[in-house]
Amino acid sequence: SQTIHQWPATLVQPVGSPLSLECTVEGTSNPNLYWYRQAAGRGLQLLFYSVGIGQISSEVPQNLSASRPQDRQFILSSKKLLLSDSGFYLCAFGTLGDTEAFFGQGTRLTVV
Amino acid sequence: GQSLEQPSEVTAVEGAIVQINCTYQTSGFYGLSWYQQHDGGAPTFLSYNALDGLEETGRFSSFLSRSDSYGYLLLQELQMKDSASYFCAVRHYNFNKFYFGSGTKLNVKP
Repeated sequence: SQTIHQWPATLVQPVGSPLSLECTVEGTSNPNLYWYRQAAGRGLQLLFYSVGIGQISSEVPQNLSASRPQDRQFILSSKKLLLSDSGFYLCAFGTLGDTEAFFGQGTRLTVV
Repeated sequence: GQSLEQPSEVTAVEGAIVQINCTYQTSGFYGLSWYQQHDGGAPTFLSYNALDGLEETGRFSSFLSRSDSYGYLLLQELQMKDSASYFCAVRHYNFNKFYFGSGTKLNVKP
């Protein structure tokens, strides 16, 4: 069966520190991968999506970057965190033709 | 760009019926989905409409009118466990991207 793993579940980081969030998918090949951010009480904002290894598209300009070093691995990074980067980060995948996105359990990031 | 509008909050009593509306403005529309999210949890898929009409899945139904750029989620026989946030999401034909609305918080009261 298809599963998605995302870690860590919670993270507290000081302003100016780097960030690395990792997401891996099992049970499927060549998935579309997505990173979303959700501010408290708000909707999900699409940050990045990837259709293949090394292929990353950014939806909004920001202090973050994404990479896909392997087919089922998606990484969200920042060199220097800002207070405004705080939020709930969700990784998701879908396969071509799928009508739904499958979400990981999310990482709650607090920048202090 | 993509724009989805839904009410921010709805309150209903247990056993009642509630409808959550969603209007959208988008290019490249492929279909409309609905997701449920409990506090602190991940969104989970509820339903999907690609064509006009009503889709029924147990107590939940979803409707789409492509000509009106409008859809709704209908929840029947409300239960306390239905208290959650509900998001509509547009599926974009380009790379199968999903754009989400701001969510509707449903409060179910006894």
